[in-house]
Amino acid sequence: GESVGLHLPTLSVQEGDNSIINCAYSNSASDYFIWYKQESGKGPQFIIDIRSNMDKRQGQRVTVLLNKTVKHLSLQIAATQPGDSAVYFCAEARLSGYALNFGKGTSLLVTP
Amino acid sequence: GAGVSQTPSNKVTEKGKYVELRCDPISGHTALYWYRQSLGQGPEFLIYFQGTGAADDSGLPNDRFFAVRPEGSVSTLKIQRTERGDSAVYLCASSLTRQGDGYTFGSGTRLTVV
Repeated sequence: GESVGLHLPTLSVQEGDNSIINCAYSNSASDYFIWYKQESGKGPQFIIDIRSNMDKRQGQRVTVLLNKTVKHLSLQIAATQPGDSAVYFCAEARLSGYALNFGKGTSLLVTP
Repeated sequence: GAGVSQTPSNKVTEKGKYVELRCDPISGHTALYWYRQSLGQGPEFLIYFQGTGAADDSGLPNDRFFAVRPEGSVSTLKIQRTERGDSAVYLCASSLTRQGDGYTFGSGTRLTVV
């Protein structure tokens, strides 16, 4: 079946560097994509979203890029901080729907 | 409250027992969702409520799983005859709209079946 997946299961970066987390999706009907951050013992926390009619969206220190041609999504975190250490999930959905389809997650470790 | 509250935070039960997991959504959120997250995996959709009714329960793995939301607020996920494979974190989320950006997740209930 169609699925959402991540290219890298773990990512280690130095504090202050930029981080890039990648995600591939295969359901061409998805028109809404979300990045979540999940810290140990907590539920997923919304970071940023993007609709399929956009290819880039910026937030505070984060940017999401969407490449519909190759069905690829990325999350860029600028000036990564220790508090950014967590597991990051991308999720796909349909704006007309409600269920989120999550990938497996990438563990981001920020070292001093 | 300010967020989605789930109780208990941890539950250990013996195989074959019945368990109930509670979710208290954000006040005013009409949509409520249950997800299940196994170790090292992303959350998987179980069931969606709009108000009091289960609009979509297609994610429930089998008929041992059941959820209710009788007054359109608090929801209870019920699991009968628990199996070791049911061990996971059960996450609840609520939203104002059906779109994902309105989702607020609770911290989950970690269920361990021994």
